[in-house]
Amino acid sequence: DAGITQSPRHKVTETGTPVTLRCHQTENHRYMYWYRQDPGHGLRLIHYSYGVKDTDKGEVSDGYSVSRSKTEDFLLTLESATSSQTSVYFCAIKIAASTDTQYFGPGTRLTVL
Amino acid sequence: QKEVEQDPGPLSVPEGAIVSLNCTYSNSAFQYFMWYRQYSRKGPELLMYTYSSGNKEDGRFTAQVDKSSKYISLFIRDSQPSDSATYLCAMIRERAGNNRKLIWGLGTSLAVNP
Repeated sequence: DAGITQSPRHKVTETGTPVTLRCHQTENHRYMYWYRQDPGHGLRLIHYSYGVKDTDKGEVSDGYSVSRSKTEDFLLTLESATSSQTSVYFCAIKIAASTDTQYFGPGTRLTVL
Repeated sequence: QKEVEQDPGPLSVPEGAIVSLNCTYSNSAFQYFMWYRQYSRKGPELLMYTYSSGNKEDGRFTAQVDKSSKYISLFIRDSQPSDSATYLCAMIRERAGNNRKLIWGLGTSLAVNP
């Protein structure tokens, strides 16, 4: 998993509650990404970061916010979870600016009831 | 129409078969192509990375790019039950800065039966 951990690995929550997912990397890579993966939609980019406090939106960013106050941690927050946010969330890193390949964490399975 | 099309399968083959997995794309600007393998309940892992047209071989795996047809393939020789997974293609347009985003196929589910 390229030194990437995600927590929690599983979470069940109720509609309207805030949820924060954490991605942690051990090798100080600059680029980090949050994806969600759903049947029929594949992997979709939510937000990404290209350095501490430098973040940008992906294709499905509505309802999500991110923060990166340290190089090693990239947090994804659902301010008020909805059932449509039930998904598997993956964090990924890119090991160099000049490369395109991304390495993924083990994923977080989130269920919003 | 999606930029990248990939048949979701499922594809079921006997052990030892040659497997062909494919993606088509619509944007001729794509230049960099990747194949990822994803086991059930795991994150995707990079299998192959190729640039532009041609073939690249790594063990039992061969990645092929045909830019004239906008078609990429992954071949698996002597398939094994451990190859049972979902295979995702991904691609990137010609380099335009360091924040290039991957465009993903939906993935093809493969089962290799002993």
